[in-house]
Amino acid sequence: AQSVTQLDSQVPVFEEAPVELRCNYSSSVSVYLFWYVQYPNQGLQLLLKYLSGSTLVKGINGFEAEFNKSQTSFHLRKPSVHISDTAEYFCASYPPGGSNYKLTFGKGTLLTVNP
Amino acid sequence: EAQVTQNPRYLITVTGKKLTVTCSQNMNHEYMSWYRQDPGLGLRQIYYSMNVEVTDKGDVPEGYKVSRKEKRNFPLILESPSPNQTSLYFCASSLRGGAVFTQYFGPGTRLTVL
Repeated sequence: AQSVTQLDSQVPVFEEAPVELRCNYSSSVSVYLFWYVQYPNQGLQLLLKYLSGSTLVKGINGFEAEFNKSQTSFHLRKPSVHISDTAEYFCASYPPGGSNYKLTFGKGTLLTVNP
Repeated sequence: EAQVTQNPRYLITVTGKKLTVTCSQNMNHEYMSWYRQDPGLGLRQIYYSMNVEVTDKGDVPEGYKVSRKEKRNFPLILESPSPNQTSLYFCASSLRGGAVFTQYFGPGTRLTVL
């Protein structure tokens, strides 16, 4: 069975610093990978997704992620964060084919951007 | 505005009192799903629906029911709520099932069962 592991439950950073949120996946077959963001008291919003093609994926709000098959990772990065990026971030995977079309989520990483 | 709405947003109830959380989308999406979010566990799928009258269990279906009589609505029913169902619930929809189709999430329903 596939699974997604987010390696950090909390990441505190200062404003304008770079940030990397780490995500590893385990699957014996190819997967589709996603990053979602949840701002306080809101639902989840898609940041970016990798389905195929270029391994560097650019998303909204200046975020990007790199799919690394050899390391089974899909880390999320931003070169300079803002206070408004404070949120919980979820990595998720989706099996190709399959019968339940289910997103499998990691446990989340709380990003706190301090002034 | 394209959106997924949930009602109520907040609910406090007592053990055993049947309740329904409604979910509605205005995007003509075929696929809809319910998740629950618990601290340290991320989101887990409860039930999903590929289309009208087509529903199936997710990872944690025990204690929940769903129905899909209309394309736009996908209510979540707790016939006899228990304290372990205290959680934050999200409804999501996408044009169809499949990774290509982005899932759009509602704002969430925070349920407390006393």
